[in-house]
Amino acid sequence: KAGVTQTPRYLIKTRGQQVTLSCSPISGHRSVSWYQQTPGQGLQFLFEYFSETQRNKGNFPGRFSGRQFSNSRSEMNVSTLELGDSALYLCASSLRTGMNTEAFFGQGTRLTVV
Amino acid sequence: AQKITQTQPGMFVQEKEAVTLDCTYDTSDQSYGLFWYKQPSSGEMIFLIYQGSYDEQNATEGRYSLNFQKARKSANLVISASQLGDSAMYFCAMREGLLNQAGTALIFGKGTTLSVSS
Repeated sequence: KAGVTQTPRYLIKTRGQQVTLSCSPISGHRSVSWYQQTPGQGLQFLFEYFSETQRNKGNFPGRFSGRQFSNSRSEMNVSTLELGDSALYLCASSLRTGMNTEAFFGQGTRLTVV
Repeated sequence: AQKITQTQPGMFVQEKEAVTLDCTYDTSDQSYGLFWYKQPSSGEMIFLIYQGSYDEQNATEGRYSLNFQKARKSANLVISASQLGDSAMYFCAMREGLLNQAGTALIFGKGTTLSVSS
């Protein structure tokens, strides 16, 4: 069965622009989480969606937003890009929410802000 | 304070040797889950193994085992018989919260780079 698909894989944007990243979870999975990975800060949680509802949000400014559609696909949007937003953005898909639920990750979208 | 601490930035091992990657965690919750992920240079995070805080046995998955010492709050990953393909970054992660409660984030450590040589 297909894994988690993130598009695009690579993106170059200019400061001040906005960007939308997409994540298609594993078929049947209803929970999607987003993480930002940078060399300095490591992996940081952005937000989690389950059945189109945001369940949890990390400590990121309001420029970072997301949503989940009825087919469980999710998008995250970053507005007014800053150089520090350059990172690998990873999406994780889970069958359900919960402490012991395994998360399956996509290959990520590598965003470069110039 | 850091929730997940991985003190080894890099580890070097020869093929067929066993290696232990250290992970200590900090939580006041009684219920939590501990995960290990592997990240090759391609970027994808690959799930390796899971240990629940109430699990009495150490988790094992093929060549991977988790040495869970609850009193010491450590969850070390042991890879037996290392292979060249094991070269990657390894992350320890934790989910806090009551079992099956909705919506909890994974908290990751900084990672350990493992290099396996022939």
